[in-house]
Amino acid sequence: DGGITQSPKYLFRKEGQNVTLSCEQNLNHDAMYWYRQDPGQGLRLIYYSQIVNDFQKGDIAEGYSVSREKKESFPLTVTSAQKNPTAFYLCASSMGTGATNYGYTFGSGTRLTVV
Amino acid sequence: LAKTTQPISMDSYEGQEVNITCSHNNIATNDYITWYQQFPSQGPRFIIQGYKTKVTNEVASLFIPADRKSSTLSLPRVSLSDTAVYYCLVGEKAGTALIFGKGTTLSVSS
Repeated sequence: DGGITQSPKYLFRKEGQNVTLSCEQNLNHDAMYWYRQDPGQGLRLIYYSQIVNDFQKGDIAEGYSVSREKKESFPLTVTSAQKNPTAFYLCASSMGTGATNYGYTFGSGTRLTVV
Repeated sequence: LAKTTQPISMDSYEGQEVNITCSHNNIATNDYITWYQQFPSQGPRFIIQGYKTKVTNEVASLFIPADRKSSTLSLPRVSLSDTAVYYCLVGEKAGTALIFGKGTTLSVSS
């Protein structure tokens, strides 16, 4: 079945440690996105990528980094510079961006906790 | 980007029809209107998308008036499992990503 897979489902990070969240899709979608969600809040955009080897910062990119070496994969690294990383992280993909609004497919999320 | 305004929360009972209205006064000519549903600890799920008039699928209906400055998501005969957060999003500029607000938290009781 086509879909988007995030791993791990739960992740614990020690202070000062970098961690990488995985996002893989087999939908042949061109665009991929990372969002962060805090309790009772909406989704905030961290980074997005429209094509391989290209990505743009979202509203809260500080303390995060991404790569897009393959169409199927868009990993997110939460660096030690991110002072409050505890949150629910969601990855999404879509056929593309543009004037029309393409439906997004979301993964099931990764819950990151700083210990 | 067109800003959307929707109620923070709504309450309903099982079997009732629920209508959630979203305002988007600055919608652009080529913007579509899309609604997503999110359950706790899950990613949002695409529900319905439309451009004008009425769109219906197996889950919901979307009503869009001629001026397109608002839209209404209609959920027929809700059940407890429809308790979720519903997001209204409008269009996107070319090369940007969708912005999700806080959505409307729908609580369905028996």
